[in-house]
Amino acid sequence: QQPVQSPQAVILREGEDAVINCSSSKALYSVHWYRQKHGEAPVFLMILLKGGEQKGHEKISASFNEKKQQSSLYLTASQLSYSGTYFCGTEYTDKLIFGTGTRLQVFP
Amino acid sequence: EAGVAQSPRYKIIEKRQSVAFWCNPISGHATLYWYQQILGQGPKLLIQFQNNGVVDDSQLPKDRFSAERLKGVDSTLKIQPAKLEDSAVYLCASSLAHGPHEQYFGPGTRLTVT
Repeated sequence: QQPVQSPQAVILREGEDAVINCSSSKALYSVHWYRQKHGEAPVFLMILLKGGEQKGHEKISASFNEKKQQSSLYLTASQLSYSGTYFCGTEYTDKLIFGTGTRLQVFP
Repeated sequence: EAGVAQSPRYKIIEKRQSVAFWCNPISGHATLYWYQQILGQGPKLLIQFQNNGVVDDSQLPKDRFSAERLKGVDSTLKIQPAKLEDSAVYLCASSLAHGPHEQYFGPGTRLTVT
């Protein structure tokens, strides 16, 4: 039931783009995205709801395909500060289940 | 606005000992969560409170873990007795309500069981 993320790891140069995918086997009510830096707590990035509503930071973009039960997080013009592990969280029955994680490293 | 507070930040105990963690959520947040995060994995929900009632505790190992939320504000999570596999970071989070709301995480407690 844990959502599966791909890729598992990404290495970028500053300014490059990346896409992180999240796939669930269950019908979803919403998808959440968080970033966690090493040794720190997860930090909220975005929530995508059924019907197209989104709540989150302006500089982050993401999509939610309800029929395919998939979500993608788009990181454009990456900065060093984007480095960290990205987790999607899939929600149904008011419970959030976090995915397997994608480790992103951005180098100068 | 003060964030989610947790204590202690680090704890080392021997197996079969007991340990307790404390969490104070953001003021006004009705929902409180305890997660277990094993190194290299995503956070796993242990228990979710709405005010002082339990919404979900389906993944809480109830033979050794217990949690309470006093007066709908702060919360304690206890492990008794601890096992080696309990070594993890225990994260507390809070949100305005349950459902599709941003969760604010505390700094976590890193537990090492030897």
